[in-house]
Amino acid sequence: QKEVEQDPGPLSVPEGAIVSLNCTYSNSAFQYFMWYRQYSRKGPELLMYTYSSGNKEDGRFTAQVDKSSKYISLFIRDSQPSDSATYLCAMRLAGTYKYIFGTGTRLKVLA
Amino acid sequence: EPEVTQTPSHQVTQMGQEVILRCVPISNHLYFYWYRQILGQKVEFLVSFYNNEISEKSEIFDDQFSVERPDGSNFTLKIRSTKLEDSAMYFCASSLRQGADNEQFFGPGTRLTVL
Repeated sequence: QKEVEQDPGPLSVPEGAIVSLNCTYSNSAFQYFMWYRQYSRKGPELLMYTYSSGNKEDGRFTAQVDKSSKYISLFIRDSQPSDSATYLCAMRLAGTYKYIFGTGTRLKVLA
Repeated sequence: EPEVTQTPSHQVTQMGQEVILRCVPISNHLYFYWYRQILGQKVEFLVSFYNNEISEKSEIFDDQFSVERPDGSNFTLKIRSTKLEDSAMYFCASSLRQGADNEQFFGPGTRLTVL
């Protein structure tokens, strides 16, 4: 079983739709959960950083962590064509520095 | 807004040659990282660096790799004898803190092509 699993997509949605992106993980010791956006041939851009279970909201983005199910989600409201990118989840164990990334989900928002 | 910068954006080298990839982290950050992303694959951790020492490294980061902070602003990754399989995007990242606030900010990457 992979440490972090993410559906590669592509996921195509119409402009204005609510997008749900998800990751599952196998190691229950992960404590920090991140979402990055990566445009083609660019570096990952940090969107959300969360610790422990619960929700965190920032503008159109909401990150949700369910540690009991080992499942994290990123919701994008009112999606825009500019949101078209690959979305990477990443996780970290307490006491370590390394982020462990999922493979990324490609999102296409159609105008 | 402060950002991590990397040079060059693209490096082409012959197998067996040494390459140095350069990064300028965000100026007040204290922790520095290198990751790589082979085309079509996930981003993978290589090494973290703090207080002029490697604090953590992955199994990918073998004796062919080294990191250095030669001055107060640059952070470099050296690959001593490049192999074909070293071809990848290399991302530098930095963070202000460890612990609960370890938000890592990534640079735009250097594309390394080994021929």
